Amino acid sequence: EIVLTQSPGTLSLSPGERATLSCRASQTINNNYLAWYQQKPGQAPRLLIYGVSIRATGIPERFSGSGSGTDFTLTIRRLEPGDLAVYYCQQYGSLLPLTFGGGTKVEIK
Amino acid sequence: QVQLQQWGAGLLKPSETLSLTCAVYGGSFTDYYWSWIRQPPGKGLEWIGEINHSGNTIYNPSLKSRVTISVDTPKNQFSLKLTSVTAADTAVYYCAKDRVGAIDAFDIWGLGTLVTVSS
Repeated sequence: EIVLTQSPGTLSLSPGERATLSCRASQTINNNYLAWYQQKPGQAPRLLIYGVSIRATGIPERFSGSGSGTDFTLTIRRLEPGDLAVYYCQQYGSLLPLTFGGGTKVEIK
Repeated sequence: QVQLQQWGAGLLKPSETLSLTCAVYGGSFTDYYWSWIRQPPGKGLEWIGEINHSGNTIYNPSLKSRVTISVDTPKNQFSLKLTSVTAADTAVYYCAKDRVGAIDAFDIWGLGTLVTVSS
């Protein structure tokens, strides 16, 4: 099983700032099979990024993904109050089971 | 645009069987895999398993002994059964669509069903 470790646990930033979220895998993730989700309070997760860096339909350019191998990053530029959420990374298409990271909570000051 | 509507019993006693169903509206049911994912209160996400229209299933090994995912293709529905539930199975259960193929990212999610296991 691939374990995904996300850091930090909580990120507290002001509107307009940049958020940098980390996801580290216990094994190499092949074929860039790494996704990011946003989960707002009381809602289902929403797919933001797949294939490490490909934005899902309707996702603003403020959200970007990068990385390779075992280290991946989600960057949110120009934070907005509506970005308050927990963000999860997920690996897929590789070793079973599909796994998610523990999440990073983004707080807006 | 695909939409998912899910339902099922929300309160179970220990040792009972959890049963949820998810209906798919819009899009092509036969083109994708369909998944179940759960989230204990205040915790992270756990993938349970998935199925396609032909009934091909892939399960999380940690839950495989208790899980059955089935499909009713004429109704565009798929279902989850989890046997011998305990308090540890208390969670919001989501149905979701795999983005393109099997074992994929999930691009459409249901609203979730809170299932509580309590005596």
